[in-house]
Amino acid sequence: QVQLQESGPGLVKPSETLSLTCTVSGYFISSGHYWGWIRQPPGEGLEWIGSINYSGSTYYNPFLKSRVTISVDMSKNQLSLKLTSVAAADRAVYYCARLGANSMVHFDYWGQGSLVTVSS
Amino acid sequence: QSALTQPRSVSGSPGQSVTISCTGTRSDVGDSKYVSWYQQRPGKAPKLIIYDVTERPSGVPDRFSGSKSGNTASLTISGLQADDEATYYCCSSAGIYTPVFGGGTKVTVL
Repeated sequence: QVQLQESGPGLVKPSETLSLTCTVSGYFISSGHYWGWIRQPPGEGLEWIGSINYSGSTYYNPFLKSRVTISVDMSKNQLSLKLTSVAAADRAVYYCARLGANSMVHFDYWGQGSLVTVSS
Repeated sequence: QSALTQPRSVSGSPGQSVTISCTGTRSDVGDSKYVSWYQQRPGKAPKLIIYDVTERPSGVPDRFSGSKSGNTASLTISGLQADDEATYYCCSSAGIYTPVFGGGTKVTVL
């Protein structure tokens, strides 16, 4: 059974960098699929942040691209998210998810999510 | 990219059918073979219920069905049950490797 678990600080100061890690179990990232990050501000809808595959090919939301870096660490079977220069609008639950086989646009397994608040 | 347009809420009685629309443009829904739908209960992660417009993952009841016409995709829930009460999101490709979500529709079972 594929499982994903997000981890990282729940509180980030304005203008600093948000860093989250997603640990994957039950499946090796190196086996294939793309992997993505999606966020959801409290009470609002879902927003795709970006996706990556095992070889490091990345695709980012054009609205966030200048601030986002997604990477993979296959030795730890993890993917990570960095979002720079955060502001209050970046407060959200951040999910990592696996994209379906041969798909770049549907997510078949999700982590439980990690709430990140931006405040000084 | 702009979010896809969904009604904020729909409701129905147990046993009835409800349909949720998801309207985009020719650049996303209209041109896409890759529309998906997610069910999200409060405090939980989204769950994939439809992908590639009409396909259901293993374990998803056949009461859930998807379709598409022009720039609008639809999710129909037949035989509505109390357990179906949740928020539903559509998602489409908007260009290569670029998913865009709808704003979400809250389904209420009366």
